[in-house]
Amino acid sequence: AQSVTQLDSHVSVSEGTPVLLRCNYSSSYSPSLFWYVQHPNKGLQLLLKYTSAATLVKGINGFEAEFKKSETSFHLTKPSAHMSDAAEYFCVVSPRAYQAGTALIFGKGTTLSVSS
Amino acid sequence: AAGVIQSPRHLIKEKRETATLKCYPIPRHDTVYWYQQGPGQDPQFLISFYEKMQSDKGSIPDRFSAQQFSDYHSELNMSSLELGDSALYFCASSSTRDRGPYEQYFGPGTRLTVT
Repeated sequence: AQSVTQLDSHVSVSEGTPVLLRCNYSSSYSPSLFWYVQHPNKGLQLLLKYTSAATLVKGINGFEAEFKKSETSFHLTKPSAHMSDAAEYFCVVSPRAYQAGTALIFGKGTTLSVSS
Repeated sequence: AAGVIQSPRHLIKEKRETATLKCYPIPRHDTVYWYQQGPGQDPQFLISFYEKMQSDKGSIPDRFSAQQFSDYHSELNMSSLELGDSALYFCASSSTRDRGPYEQYFGPGTRLTVT
């Protein structure tokens, strides 16, 4: 079965400093991986997705993630944090993302706090 | 751009009552998903529909049922409500016209409180 593990439940950074949110996946074959963000009392927004076309994936709002098969990781990064980045971030895997109706499996989430 | 619409946004019910949550997918999206997110928890998949047929099923209680209608909107019916059903319920939609992997677009959620 596929799963994802987010290695940090809470990350705190200062505004203007880099962000690193770590995610490891478990899969017996090439997975489809996503990062979603959830701001307080808001819905879930897709930041980026891994499609196997490129190992470095660029998303919205300056975020990017690198797929490393050798390390089974899909860490999310951003060069410079902004106050508006404070939110909950979910690493997500889809067992059969090319099949309509397939469930997404969410990690436990990482709360990102940004201080001024 | 049009987004997924969920109604109502907030719902308060008493134990043993029933509730109906509605989801209107993005126009021309043919697949709908339901997720439940408890307080401080990650979203858990309940059920999905593709072209009005059940596609995948997760940890949905037998007290819950859902369907997708001819206009592609979906309803989640919840009966004999329990305190533990209090959660944020998300609907998401996707389109098989898009190139895979299919992205799921989430609605704002319905916050259900059972008292």
